[in-house]
Amino acid sequence: AQSVTQPDIHITVSEGASLELRCNYSYGATPYLFWYVQSPGQGLQLLLKYFSGDTLVQGIKGFEAEFKRSQSSFNLRKPSVHWSDAAEYFCAVGARGTSYDKVIFGPGTSLSVIP
Amino acid sequence: DSGVTQTPKHLITATGQRVTLRCSPRSGDLSVYWYQQSLDQGLQFLIQYYNGEERAKGNILERFSAQQFPDLHSELNLSSLELGDSALYFCASSALGPLNEQFFGPGTRLTVL
Repeated sequence: AQSVTQPDIHITVSEGASLELRCNYSYGATPYLFWYVQSPGQGLQLLLKYFSGDTLVQGIKGFEAEFKRSQSSFNLRKPSVHWSDAAEYFCAVGARGTSYDKVIFGPGTSLSVIP
Repeated sequence: DSGVTQTPKHLITATGQRVTLRCSPRSGDLSVYWYQQSLDQGLQFLIQYYNGEERAKGNILERFSAQQFPDLHSELNLSSLELGDSALYFCASSALGPLNEQFFGPGTRLTVL
């Protein structure tokens, strides 16, 4: 079975600073990896996903993530954070199953942005 | 706007009561998912339906049940409510299974008093 951890519960960055949110997964084969964002009072929205191919994935809103198999990581990055990026970020890992596919969401990292 | 609608937006009820949450998926999506989000438990997957049939079960209590109707809308029924059931309940939909992008609704905030 797959699992996912996000080591940072809460991160605070200054507007304009770079950002890296950590995600580590556990799964025997190549996983399907996702980053979702939840803005205050809203549902989750997909930022980007990785299935195969180029390990550096570009997403919406200027975000990117890099799959590193050797480190079992899929960290999310943004070069310059905007105040509107303040939100909850969820990493998720998915796997194909014999009966059904399954996606597990991490506990989330809350991002605060200082003006 | 994700295209997924949920009603009601807020629900306040008493312990022991029963409520029904409703979800209309994005047009064309066959899968519907229900999630519970609380401060102590985080985002918990409850159940998935695909084209009217139950496909996968997560941490769903026996007091909870769901169904997906022929028009693909879904309902989540919560009965014998307890204080601990207070949470945000999200519905999401996707074209096929969960490895496709899931589109989340705005959620229903349930408060049990």
